[in-house]
Amino acid sequence: KAGVTQTPRYLIKTRGQQVTLSCSPISGHRSVSWYQQTPGQGLQFLFEYFSETQRNKGNFPGRFSGRQFSNSRSEMNVSTLELGDSALYLCATVDYNNEQFFGPGTRLTVL
Amino acid sequence: DQQVKQNSPSLSVQEGRISILNCDYTNSMFDYFLWYKKYPAEGPTFLISISSIKDKNEDGRFTVFLNKSAKHLSLHIVPSQPGDSAVYFCAASASTSYDKVIFGPGTSLSVIP
Repeated sequence: KAGVTQTPRYLIKTRGQQVTLSCSPISGHRSVSWYQQTPGQGLQFLFEYFSETQRNKGNFPGRFSGRQFSNSRSEMNVSTLELGDSALYLCATVDYNNEQFFGPGTRLTVL
Repeated sequence: DQQVKQNSPSLSVQEGRISILNCDYTNSMFDYFLWYKKYPAEGPTFLISISSIKDKNEDGRFTVFLNKSAKHLSLHIVPSQPGDSAVYFCAASASTSYDKVIFGPGTSLSVIP
C-alpha cells in the first residue's frame, strides 16, 4: 500500500513569508505527527493530530500551527518565516499496532 | 541542553567489519530506547529498540546494548554491508507515547565496499 506522502518535497521561501506543507497519511491511519529536523538537533516534535484535533504539542512558537481534515490529511503552516526555520519537516502516522511510519519530508529553505 | 547525544557525526567502516554507533543520554527517567535508520530522501524507519529492563536486544545483524549506570547505549551492526550506509538516530523516551520521544542528532554511517 502507498506510504506517507508529503508535498511539496522542496520549497524555498524568504524571511517574513508564510508556508503551508501537506501530509497525506497511509490509508486508515488517523494520527499524524509533525517533526522538524535540523543539522545537529535530531528530530524535534512539533504536534500531533488525531481525528481533526490537536492531541499533543511540542515546544515551538505559535508561528507553527497545523490542522487535520476529515480524510486525515494534515497541513502544517509556518508564518513569518525566519532563517532558523530552514529544516527538513517530516510527518509521521501511526497504525492500530502503534507502529510509526514517516514520510520522506519537505525540505524548506528560508533565504 | 541535549538529552540524547550522539557524539560522532560520522563513521566509516569497511564492508564485513563491525559498526558501532554510540549514544549517551542524560535523563535517568528514560526507560525505552530506539534506533532509527534514515536514507537520503526518505523518512526515518524504525530499526530496533530496547527497554530499560534489558541490557541487550538482538535482531539479525543488529544488536543494541544498554548500560543504564553509564547512561549509554550502542548499536552494533555485524557484518556491515554497503546498504547499511545511512544516518542512524538514537532516541529515548520515558513514555510509550511518540510525542515524548527525544531524538539524538544522528550519526552518518558509511560502509565502504
